Amino acid sequence: DSGVTQTPKHLITATGQRVTLRCSPRSGDLSVYWYQQSLDQGLQFLIQYYNGEERAKGNILERFSAQQFPDLHSELNLSSLELGDSALYFCASSRVGVGADNEQFFGPGTRLTVL
Amino acid sequence: AQKITQTQPGMFVQEKEAVTLDCTYDTSDQSYGLFWYKQPSSGEMIFLIYQGSYDEQNATEGRYSLNFQKARKSANLVISASQLGDSAMYFCAMREHSGAGSYQLTFGKGTKLSVIP
Repeated sequence: DSGVTQTPKHLITATGQRVTLRCSPRSGDLSVYWYQQSLDQGLQFLIQYYNGEERAKGNILERFSAQQFPDLHSELNLSSLELGDSALYFCASSRVGVGADNEQFFGPGTRLTVL
Repeated sequence: AQKITQTQPGMFVQEKEAVTLDCTYDTSDQSYGLFWYKQPSSGEMIFLIYQGSYDEQNATEGRYSLNFQKARKSANLVISASQLGDSAMYFCAMREHSGAGSYQLTFGKGTKLSVIP
């Protein structure tokens, strides 16, 4: 158990809908990262938040957005869903800064299926 | 441009034998980090081992070791004494700086390892 929790574990929805994925980082970790794993694109970095602020953006679509709350949990919002958005979405957390750990701890993932 | 290359889509190894999973990377940073993660069929991503670009010794964690050849830009994972539970996808990843004190991971496409009894 990495200490990172993600809910829900599975999500099935229809095209055009909007969903919210939730992530709670490890205790003490200030950074949260979101990744998308799909068969054709592999594992791709989407976005990073650090202590409530957006720090880095990767291949995140405009239909997707994220935020990190004062209690450090994060939510990834996916809207106007398309079939191609079906994927495993991972959240990871890390301590960032001087003397920080080097690894990102991954949550169990949320499997999104868009029908 | 692809920054992490894993050239072996699939590998087979006999139980109790050692196996090497290849990873080459491309970066112009002087300071970077290389990671290996394991993803079993259940889907979770499990951290295995880390190598920093300034580390002089190859990283080792139990049965896992990282064969780091900086001049060749390679960071191969060696698993000794393979076990049936080692059957999984293995991903090589590189840490790239994305701002002050922040970084993101770029992953390779993975190698599927199958351990044969």
